[in-house]
Amino acid sequence: DAGITQSPRHKVTETGTPVTLRCHQTENHRYMYWYRQDPGHGLRLIHYSYGVKDTDKGEVSDGYSVSRSKTEDFLLTLESATSSQTSVYFCAISALTGTYEQYFGPGTRLTVT
Amino acid sequence: DQQVKQNSPSLSVQEGRISILNCDYTNSMFDYFLWYKKYPAEGPTFLISISSIKDKNEDGRFTVFLNKSAKHLSLHIVPSQPGDSAVYFCAAYSGNTPLVFGKGTRLSVIA
Repeated sequence: DAGITQSPRHKVTETGTPVTLRCHQTENHRYMYWYRQDPGHGLRLIHYSYGVKDTDKGEVSDGYSVSRSKTEDFLLTLESATSSQTSVYFCAISALTGTYEQYFGPGTRLTVT
Repeated sequence: DQQVKQNSPSLSVQEGRISILNCDYTNSMFDYFLWYKKYPAEGPTFLISISSIKDKNEDGRFTVFLNKSAKHLSLHIVPSQPGDSAVYFCAAYSGNTPLVFGKGTRLSVIA
């Protein structure tokens, strides 16, 4: 299994509070991604990174920001959490072009009350 | 606008029979396709892939077929086993753009 961890694994927070989710990899892969999974929507890309300090927006980036200061860590921040951001968040990594065979972390279940 | 569509949200199959999961795409620039499998409370795991230069790829009980003219691919699982019960995601990409995922199909294999 690819060495990907996500923290926290579960979090409950209140509307309007900032939240940061962390993804850590031990594979030294160049590409990292954040997805959210919601019923009826499948996996939707939030942001991705193609190198340290190099990031780009995905399909559903509004309300989210990311940072990557080290190869191994990719942070997802909800500046002011809303109930619509209640979801399961997955981090993924890939080595080559950025899209072949991504490996996913175990997920973080976030509930915004 | 959905570029990758899995039109069947769920599928039930008896153990030992064939499971066929379908996926349609609209972007003719897609040149690589993947299937992922997801169990509850776990991240998706890569299952099998196919390049657009092929029309079939096989790995044990899993075979993916690609019909480029119809913009359609399918995943065949033979024989189906109870452990195959999961959500299956189809994904596609072109060039250096990120993967585009379908909404998933929940497969239930009944013993």
